[in-house]
Amino acid sequence: AQSVTQLDSQVPVFEEAPVELRCNYSSSVSVYLFWYVQYPNQGLQLLLKYLSGSTLVKGINGFEAEFNKSQTSFHLRKPSVHISDTAEYFCAVSVPYQAGTALIFGKGTTLSVSS
Amino acid sequence: ETGVTQTPRHLVMGMTNKKSLKCEQHLGHNAMYWYKQSAKKPLELMFVYSLEERVENNSVPSRFSPECPNSSHLFLHLHTLQPEDSALYLCASSQVWGPAGGQATNEKLFFGSGTQLSVL
Repeated sequence: AQSVTQLDSQVPVFEEAPVELRCNYSSSVSVYLFWYVQYPNQGLQLLLKYLSGSTLVKGINGFEAEFNKSQTSFHLRKPSVHISDTAEYFCAVSVPYQAGTALIFGKGTTLSVSS
Repeated sequence: ETGVTQTPRHLVMGMTNKKSLKCEQHLGHNAMYWYKQSAKKPLELMFVYSLEERVENNSVPSRFSPECPNSSHLFLHLHTLQPEDSALYLCASSQVWGPAGGQATNEKLFFGSGTQLSVL
């Protein structure tokens, strides 16, 4: 069965510092991996996704993630964060079923950026 | 604005009430989802309607009943809920295509802003 583990529930950082949000997955089939962001009082928005090809995936707002099959990881990184990056970040893995796929999410990581 | 609209934004109900959550998508998608977001827990996939197939998480109690009258509308009917059902309920939609069996599709989910449900 597919599952996702986000290793940090909260990550506090200062503005302009680099950040890494960790995600590990387990799956018995080929995986498709995603990072979503949820700003306060909003639904989730797609940051980036890995379906195939290059293991380094670039997303919106300067975020990127690297798919590491041997370590079953898909960590999210940003070299320099802004106050506006404060949000909840969710890692997700796709689950196949007969008519398509659905996403299974991790517990989320709260990124708090302060000045 | 993601193109997915959920109403109401907030709902307070007693344990004996019956209420419904509504979701509408204006994106022409053919798959819709209900997720439950509780504090300190992962988003829980509750129900999926995709290509007219319904998939449900077997751990969801029967006091939650989904309805998908067409590809643009999704409801979640609630009855005799418990206080632990208090959570943010998120609706999402996506466009699914490709052969059956888990072929990669456009996995971008578009989420609504959610209904914050409080059960007293």
